[in-house]
Amino acid sequence: NAGVTQTPKFRILKIGQSMTLQCTQDMNHNYMYWYRQDPGMGLKLIYYSVGAGITDKGEVPNGYNVSRSTTEDFPLRLELAAPSQTSVYFCASSYGEKAFFGQGTRLTVV
Amino acid sequence: DAKTTQPPSMDCAEGRAANLPCNHSTISGNEYVYWYRQIHSQGPQYIIHGLKNNETNEMASLIITEDRKSSTLILPHATLRDTAVYYCIVRVYKAAGNKLTFGGGTRVLVKP
Repeated sequence: NAGVTQTPKFRILKIGQSMTLQCTQDMNHNYMYWYRQDPGMGLKLIYYSVGAGITDKGEVPNGYNVSRSTTEDFPLRLELAAPSQTSVYFCASSYGEKAFFGQGTRLTVV
Repeated sequence: DAKTTQPPSMDCAEGRAANLPCNHSTISGNEYVYWYRQIHSQGPQYIIHGLKNNETNEMASLIITEDRKSSTLILPHATLRDTAVYYCIVRVYKAAGNKLTFGGGTRVLVKP
């Protein structure tokens, strides 16, 4: 059982470039989430989804976009990368009382 | 979701019990207490949750006060691998899922 899988694990972007962080889960969970974690800080919610075709903003959505065309996949899109988006990004899915997190994508924008 | 307050850091000795406090004085009747931990650079991991009764599983015990305004996570025999940031989260339970709001957590260092 793979759980929540994120790709890539590491990425360096130049300012203004765009990229998509991939997230897939094989637990058939309806709820999925994207968080970012800056050094020494807690996790902040970027976007979340309660099912295919339904997404909503979290605490820090600016500069990001998401889509949810299937239950399994929840990609996060950065259109114009900025240094402030340097962070570790975690994807998660949940059902009931437990949330399951991926291992993270470490993104550096230079 | 109710706000939680945790000490920023604490140390404990390997083999001893680690008692991690959490204050949630504004908790409402339908909100549960959840604990997650994050071992260095990894994604957070679910530990335990409860409503009002004490709970125990293979990882930890959760003690919730009778007025539900505070709780304590107990790691019965801390090991070096328990060094992590521990997050106390209060939220309404929904069967289909519910978003988590993370605060600063408690950074626990288990020392030999």
